[in-house]
Amino acid sequence: GAGVSQSPSNKVTEKGKDVELRCDPISGHTALYWYRQSLGQGLEFLIYFQGNSAPDKSGLPSDRFSAERTGGSVSTLTIQRTQQEDSAVYLCASSVQGAANTEAFFGQGTRLTVV
Amino acid sequence: LAKTTQPISMDSYEGQEVNITCSHNNIATNDYITWYQQFPSQGPRFIIQGYKTKVTNEVASLFIPADRKSSTLSLPRVSLSDTAVYYCLVGEGHNNAGNMLTFGGGTRLMVKP
Repeated sequence: GAGVSQSPSNKVTEKGKDVELRCDPISGHTALYWYRQSLGQGLEFLIYFQGNSAPDKSGLPSDRFSAERTGGSVSTLTIQRTQQEDSAVYLCASSVQGAANTEAFFGQGTRLTVV
Repeated sequence: LAKTTQPISMDSYEGQEVNITCSHNNIATNDYITWYQQFPSQGPRFIIQGYKTKVTNEVASLFIPADRKSSTLSLPRVSLSDTAVYYCLVGEGHNNAGNMLTFGGGTRLMVKP
């Protein structure tokens, strides 16, 4: 595709269930980022991938959160035993390389609602 | 990464020029300055990037003084559609050791008719 694709666009889940959020980066982009954004708030960094490895996972809020990336492409963010405070928009971005002088392209996000 | 400080919000009117200043006193030699724009219900979008002096593109201009401790994003003749949150980021050009995209709180720009 032409841009970063995230799925699903919306997800409603019951408290305690596990969810998987998917990100398809732009082809050839080695760097991939996950962020979380609560209503009216700024972007909260979660994890950064360079290829398949995650040199920076410092933003993952708890051990219920995990992410993986396979084949240097698709990434999945998994939230186990979801809580209401996990409700937010989860944004994925990719760039040609993990450097601040390269443009990052964001997907439209997945809006997660935990009820 | 250098920490950035920018106003929480700004108001303007259609047709005016808007200047949003970002402070980054601890900017390092290898750091670039990048601005992103975010509309409601969308992911951020790259606007402009610079290292020093002035950069201009079809959307905005970026002014960076010689000491690089601040930068100013200039939006000429804003319209209602420029209402958005604007983020200033500062980060190193080449470093695979960590996250290069740390977003602060941003500046919420409201353009009024």
